Amino acid sequence: DAKTTQPNSMESNEEEPVHLPCNHSTISGTDYIHWYRQLPSQGPEYVIHGLTSNVNNRMASLAIAEDRKSSTLILHRATLRDAAVYYCILRDEDRDDKIIFGKGTRLHILP
Amino acid sequence: EAQVTQNPRYLITVTGKKLTVTCSQNMNHEYMSWYRQDPGLGLRQIYYSMNVEVTDKGDVPEGYKVSRKEKRNFPLILESPSPNQTSLYFCASRRTGATYNSPLHFGNGTRLTVT
Repeated sequence: DAKTTQPNSMESNEEEPVHLPCNHSTISGTDYIHWYRQLPSQGPEYVIHGLTSNVNNRMASLAIAEDRKSSTLILHRATLRDAAVYYCILRDEDRDDKIIFGKGTRLHILP
Repeated sequence: EAQVTQNPRYLITVTGKKLTVTCSQNMNHEYMSWYRQDPGLGLRQIYYSMNVEVTDKGDVPEGYKVSRKEKRNFPLILESPSPNQTSLYFCASRRTGATYNSPLHFGNGTRLTVT
């Protein structure tokens, strides 16, 4: 299974942009890149996903490297409520039964 | 409101006493799955179901059973719980078919302690 690598933790100041990296050097052509986040005492929630092009939604932006071996989740203006564990996962469009989460990145927001 | 509901939220039990954690979703999703979350190990998939009467093992199925008799429900059964099954459990669901990349929707978790 294609795996992802993320830093264990990151810190950012409130109201500043945050760039959360993810490496997926063994990504296959049919893998989509998904991001989820888990707020304290809650289940994970979907953030964004993409295949090749950069994607934007109301929560975040996803920047995907040209060779697709890495991606970056961008929170444009972090708030204290963005403190969470962020998971980068790969989903194969041809075999989307086992969905594997890693350990994610714990994001701390400093007031 | 679209949601995945797990019950109970907290459960303390003793070794060997059978228990069931229920999961129900109101979104008519075909796919449902159970995960456990342990410190330092992240989320690990226990079992998943692609549709009614179709279930399959995830990465850590030992000691667990599931059933999918109805589309909305996917209970997790521990026939003889042991202390190493003390964990935080999450149920999730999503649509399948043409929307194969549809996002997973998670419940709020069940914290199980086995003494």
